[in-house]
Amino acid sequence: DQQVKQNSPSLSVQEGRISILNCDYTNSMFDYFLWYKKYPAEGPTFLISISSIKDKNEDGRFTVFLNKSAKHLSLHIVPSQPGDSAVYFCAATSSFSGGSNYKLTFGKGTLLTVNP
Amino acid sequence: NAGVTQTPKFRILKIGQSMTLQCAQDMNHNYMYWYRQDPGMGLKLIYYSVGAGITDKGEVPNGYNVSRSTTEDFPLRLELAAPSQTSVYFCASSSQGRSNQPQHFGDGTRLSIL
Repeated sequence: DQQVKQNSPSLSVQEGRISILNCDYTNSMFDYFLWYKKYPAEGPTFLISISSIKDKNEDGRFTVFLNKSAKHLSLHIVPSQPGDSAVYFCAATSSFSGGSNYKLTFGKGTLLTVNP
Repeated sequence: NAGVTQTPKFRILKIGQSMTLQCAQDMNHNYMYWYRQDPGMGLKLIYYSVGAGITDKGEVPNGYNVSRSTTEDFPLRLELAAPSQTSVYFCASSSQGRSNQPQHFGDGTRLSIL
């Protein structure tokens, strides 16, 4: 059963506008939430994260919002640029069997296309 | 700075063949991971290692083996390749296993089993 869900396989926006990528989760034990960006033929690269005790984290054009009661997070990109076109993965961390090592659970990803 | 290096980038195997996917990192990270990504799906953890000589299973370990004799290298072994193992394989590393430590990924190995 999917614990991290990205229900939109793709999103298309115009350059300069806001991109909003959404992610839902089911496991209330998730500790941190991370967004990774992936270009074709490359590995995912870390973009931004948020602790489960926060509701917002901002880094330049990228802001992540967390709504724990709704088990929902979103990534906002403002303004969107053509170079932002990539697959964005939402991921969440939880411990292995309650221990001190953590694993990542990934969503299926959302393909963002920013049109010039 | 190379980061995480995976070889080969592409490989086609016949059913029943074996091969080793190589992964090396030059960041002196203790933690290393192997994932597979099937088309239209997220990454799933195959095996992980918390340091040289220590490995453990992830979510989908069946059909794979790993070893960790050095901090730098974490090879993934397929003993009897099956069509279900056709996938893109990513190796990753992190300095610690803490929840807020992002993982650094290699560029992947695209493997087809025919």
